[in-house]
Amino acid sequence: RKEVEQDPGPFNVPEGATVAFNCTYSNSASQSFFWYRQDCRKEPKLLMSVYSSGNEDGRFTAQLNRASQYISLLIRDSKLSDSATYLCVVNVYGQNFVFGPGTRLSVLP
Amino acid sequence: DGGITQSPKYLFRKEGQNVTLSCEQNLNHDAMYWYRQDPGQGLRLIYYSQIVNDFQKGDIAEGYSVSREKKESFPLTVTSAQKNPTAFYLCASSIVPAASGGGQETQYFGPGTRLLVL
Repeated sequence: RKEVEQDPGPFNVPEGATVAFNCTYSNSASQSFFWYRQDCRKEPKLLMSVYSSGNEDGRFTAQLNRASQYISLLIRDSKLSDSATYLCVVNVYGQNFVFGPGTRLSVLP
Repeated sequence: DGGITQSPKYLFRKEGQNVTLSCEQNLNHDAMYWYRQDPGQGLRLIYYSQIVNDFQKGDIAEGYSVSREKKESFPLTVTSAQKNPTAFYLCASSIVPAASGGGQETQYFGPGTRLLVL
C-alpha cells in the first residue's frame, strides 16, 4: 500500500461547483498535513496546512480525521483559476515529507 | 524579494555527461531539499540537507550528488550513473528540517528545472 493515496482524477467540474478531494495515509505516526497546489509545468505552492480541528480559508476547507487516517479538501464555488493538480502531503516526526501523486482538477466554463 | 531560484529552466544532457542544477535561496532557511517529479507521479526525495556542510540521501539518491557549502546554495549534480534522468527537478527549502515538526517545516519550492536527454 502506498504511503499517501489520493483520488486518481481527473475531476472535470463546471464553474460554481463544489468539489472534494480525498487523501488517505498509511503511517499512523503522521503529524503534519498539507495541501499544495501545482499548476501545469510549475512548482507546487502551499495551499493550506491541515489542522486537527479543521480549517477554512475563503472557499477552501480542509479536514483531518486521524482515526481514519484521512484528509480532505473542499473547494466551494469553484473558479476557472482553481484548475490545477492538488497534492496531499504528509509528514511524520523525524522523517521527511511524503507527497501523494496528486489529483488534477479542471474547472470548465 | 525573498525566494528560491533554480537555473537553468531547461537543461539538455548528452549520454555519459554530468550536469549540475543550481538552487539558491535568500530566505535564510536552514533546510534544503531536491525532489524529482515524473509525469503523473508524486515528488520523490533525492537528497536533503538540514544544515550547512551536512546532507543525507533521500529515497532515490543513486546517480545523484549534492553539496552544501553555503546556507544559500544546494546544487545537484546528475551523474552519468543516472540512467533515466529525464524529469522535472524541484528544489525546496524550509525554516527547519521536515523532521522537526512544530509548524515551521513547511516547504517552499523553486520554479524547477526540466532535464532532457539528447
